[in-house]
Amino acid sequence: GESVGLHLPTLSVQEGDNSIINCAYSNSASDYFIWYKQESGKGPQFIIDIRSNMDKRQGQRVTVLLNKTVKHLSLQIAATQPGDSAVYFCAVNTGGFKTIFGAGTRLFVKA
Amino acid sequence: NAGVTQTPKFQVLKTGQSMTLQCAQDMNHEYMSWYRQDPGMGLRLIHYSVGAGITDQGEVPNGYNVSRSTTEDFPLRLLSAAPSQTSVYFCASSYSRRNTEAFFGQGTRLTVV
Repeated sequence: GESVGLHLPTLSVQEGDNSIINCAYSNSASDYFIWYKQESGKGPQFIIDIRSNMDKRQGQRVTVLLNKTVKHLSLQIAATQPGDSAVYFCAVNTGGFKTIFGAGTRLFVKA
Repeated sequence: NAGVTQTPKFQVLKTGQSMTLQCAQDMNHEYMSWYRQDPGMGLRLIHYSVGAGITDQGEVPNGYNVSRSTTEDFPLRLLSAAPSQTSVYFCASSYSRRNTEAFFGQGTRLTVV
C-alpha cells in the first residue's frame, strides 16, 4: 500500500522568507499529488496539485516540485505571510478515488 | 454558494449510542467522502460515494454506515458509538474521480464518553 510522510512536524519561518515543506511517498505508481492547507478549526483547503508527468507546477505564491526518482515532493511558499500559518498536508493518489494523506506540517510564521 | 455543510459542529455521545452526522453540498459534485482526523495523523478515509446510490469503503470503515440517496446529501451513521470513535470528522466533495481537488466541510468534533 501507499504511505505518505512529512519530514518535519513543525516549521518556523520569518515573515517575508520563503517556506519549504517536504513530503515523501512510498508507491512509485502514485500519479497525483495534492497539497492542502488547514487553518485552526477549519476543514482542509485545496492549494495545488501536480500530476506525475510534471516536475514543477506554480500557483499564486506557491510552487510544488516533484522528484519521482526519490519519491519526494515539496511545497514552496514565497514571501511567507502571517496568514500562511496553518497545517499543511500532502496527499497522494495511486489510482481510483482513494487518496492517502500525510500527517501534516505545522507552519509558524514569526513577525 | 455554501459549499459543503456539516452538522452538528460538536457532539458528545455516550458509549453505545447511535447518531448521524449530516453532510450536504450544493456544487453538484458526483463524488463525496467522509474522513476522520486524529491528533498526529493525517485524514483517513472512512467511506466514499461516486454518485447517488453508490458507496464504497475506505481505509477505516468499521463502525460506520453511509448511504447516498441524492447527489447533495451524504450522511454518516455511527451504529454504536465507542470511545475509539472520538475524533474530528470531515465530509468532502469533489468533481474529480481521482479526488484531486476536494472541498471540505468545517468538521464535526465528536466525543464519545
